Amino acid sequence: EVQVVESGGGFVQSGESLRLSCSVSGFTFRSYAMHWVRQAPGKGLEFVAAISGSGGSTYYADSVKDRFTITRDNVQFTLYLQMSNLRADDTANYYCVRVAGAVDLDAFDIWGQGTMVSVSS
Amino acid sequence: DIVMTQSPATLSVSPGERATLSCRASQSVHTNLAWYRQKPGQAPRLLIYGASVRATNIPGRFSGSGSGTEFTLTISSLQSEDFAVYYCQQYSAWPGTFGQGTKLEIK
Repeated sequence: EVQVVESGGGFVQSGESLRLSCSVSGFTFRSYAMHWVRQAPGKGLEFVAAISGSGGSTYYADSVKDRFTITRDNVQFTLYLQMSNLRADDTANYYCVRVAGAVDLDAFDIWGQGTMVSVSS
Repeated sequence: DIVMTQSPATLSVSPGERATLSCRASQSVHTNLAWYRQKPGQAPRLLIYGASVRATNIPGRFSGSGSGTEFTLTISSLQSEDFAVYYCQQYSAWPGTFGQGTKLEIK
């Protein structure tokens, strides 16, 4: 069974750091690009960051560039999002998602349940 | 960034009836368009990709159409589990962007 499970969310103060993890199983992890997508409470969906299957290419939303870093460990089947200098507007549920195709940008066919990040100003 | 605009924001339909949701892109995304359904408290689920291809295990009452800048999701006979929020997403250009969502509610 294909699964992605996020962890690492929590409540932090503005300016602090947090690292999210996403543990996957049931598919050949290194063959798929992965994204982080977030959803603020009561709001819509927003791209945060993406990484190619090999980890050689990364992409970021302008709002998080230079503050967030996406990485992956293809041996441990885990995706990470290192978040620094957090702001109140980073408060959201963060989803780990799998790209459906063999390219870095495509539809998202597998979603985790998300991990909530709350940043207090 | 490509801006995706969904309409209407809220759609009220009776169970068993047909629902039609719209999504417009600020520039052509060809057929690089997906639809998702998000039930309360759950993660989104992929319904349609390639503008018109049903994802795995998605029932036939869901259909997608369109290309370029205008897209439609049609649900032919609404079931109870279909009353949720629907998002379109373009994946033609970075960053992939989502519409603001259409809430489908029971009339």
